[in-house]
Amino acid sequence: GEDVEQSLFLSVREGDSSVINCTYTDSSSTYLYWYKQEPGAGLQLLTYIFSNMDMKQDQRLTVLLNKKDKHLSLRIADTQTGDSAIYFCAESPSNDYKLSFGAGTTVTVRA
Amino acid sequence: SAVISQKPSRDICQRGTSLTIQCQVDSQVTMMFWYRQQPGQSLTLIATANQGSEATYESGFVIDKFPISRPNLTFSTLTVSNMSPEDSSIYLCSVEPDTGTHYGYTFGSGTRLTVV
Repeated sequence: GEDVEQSLFLSVREGDSSVINCTYTDSSSTYLYWYKQEPGAGLQLLTYIFSNMDMKQDQRLTVLLNKKDKHLSLRIADTQTGDSAIYFCAESPSNDYKLSFGAGTTVTVRA
Repeated sequence: SAVISQKPSRDICQRGTSLTIQCQVDSQVTMMFWYRQQPGQSLTLIATANQGSEATYESGFVIDKFPISRPNLTFSTLTVSNMSPEDSSIYLCSVEPDTGTHYGYTFGSGTRLTVV
């Protein structure tokens, strides 16, 4: 699959904003996703963005896409303890349904 | 989005044995995917399973080790054969998004496999 890179760890204080970053290399990546994995659980789709968009907001989540730099970020406002999880960035091209995942960012929310 | 029931949720198996993992979907889907998540790692696609045809395996995965069945549009199985401790991982199935879209990939809750 194509390369998708993320920072591995993020520690944030409860109530602050979290920003998780992701870069990808496939210029044909048309669809980009953020998944959440809580301990012992499967993957939950949080949000997605198409490459013809720059930003998408969904309640506490804001996704920003910089196509020129192939950079994707997920901002979680007012981070709560329930947000502690591993967050995966993933991408797929328009002509394929395979997903390529980043290594995952472990977010730890401290009181 | 489709709802997937995956089982078993976890198992501890002896080396040399085989384990079959099942995924049942609440709606008909053309494509199902099987992923492996090794401890502390990301997800790696094992194969794509379409109903009525042989599964398509990714580089590094072979049918003899990971045979897949897809008897109908709502069900698939993945078998991990002749297991060794290196096969200890979480195995997840996934289904395609809604027709014509690229969002809504749904995942099963995963099977946590430990080989001893």
